[in-house]
Amino acid sequence: AQTVTQSQPEMSVQEAETVTLSCTYDTSESDYYLFWYKQPPSRQMILVIRQEAYKQQNATENRFSVNFQKAAKSFSLKISDSQLGDAAMYFCAYRSVYSGGGADGLTFGKGTHLIIQP
Amino acid sequence: KAGVTQTPRYLIKTRGQQVTLSCSPISGHRSVSWYQQTPGQGLQFLFEYFSETQRNKGNFPGRFSGRQFSNSRSEMNVSTLELGDSALYLCASSLSGLAGGAYEQYFGPGTRLTVT
Repeated sequence: AQTVTQSQPEMSVQEAETVTLSCTYDTSESDYYLFWYKQPPSRQMILVIRQEAYKQQNATENRFSVNFQKAAKSFSLKISDSQLGDAAMYFCAYRSVYSGGGADGLTFGKGTHLIIQP
Repeated sequence: KAGVTQTPRYLIKTRGQQVTLSCSPISGHRSVSWYQQTPGQGLQFLFEYFSETQRNKGNFPGRFSGRQFSNSRSEMNVSTLELGDSALYLCASSLSGLAGGAYEQYFGPGTRLTVT
């Protein structure tokens, strides 16, 4: 079974600064997807960014980018120019590309609470 | 395009009762997954439906069940409710869960279930 670990329960950053959230995962599969989701106080889960394991190029979405290190099984999220609206719980998630058989769906980490200091 | 909708948004039930939660996916999405979110266990996968068939199931007791209709709408049912079933239940839809398909899951606002 796959596991996802987020070692930072809480992070704090000044507005307009850059912050990096860490995520490591454990899997024996070679092909999979990784995601970062944001959950603000409203509890609505919002997809921030995705990364396909077979792609070496790191994904980027505006101020959000990832550092994907497949060999190290590391998938960190960098948020540049932090804004007050970025304050939320951030979840790292893993999804196998192989369907069927046992538990599947997204495997989530425990989350990192990101605080933005004005 | 409308997002994933879940009804009801809030629910209070008594231990021993049963409950049915509903989820309408994004138009065109055929896969629906359900997750349970609690402060202690975090986000846990319940099950996934695709074309009215349960494709995958998480490690939950048989009291948790679900189904999907021909229009891709899904329901999940919890029978004989226990205090520990109090949680936020999230539904997510995606285009396809099959190999080669799109894997992004888009979440609804959730149903907050409180069992007393």
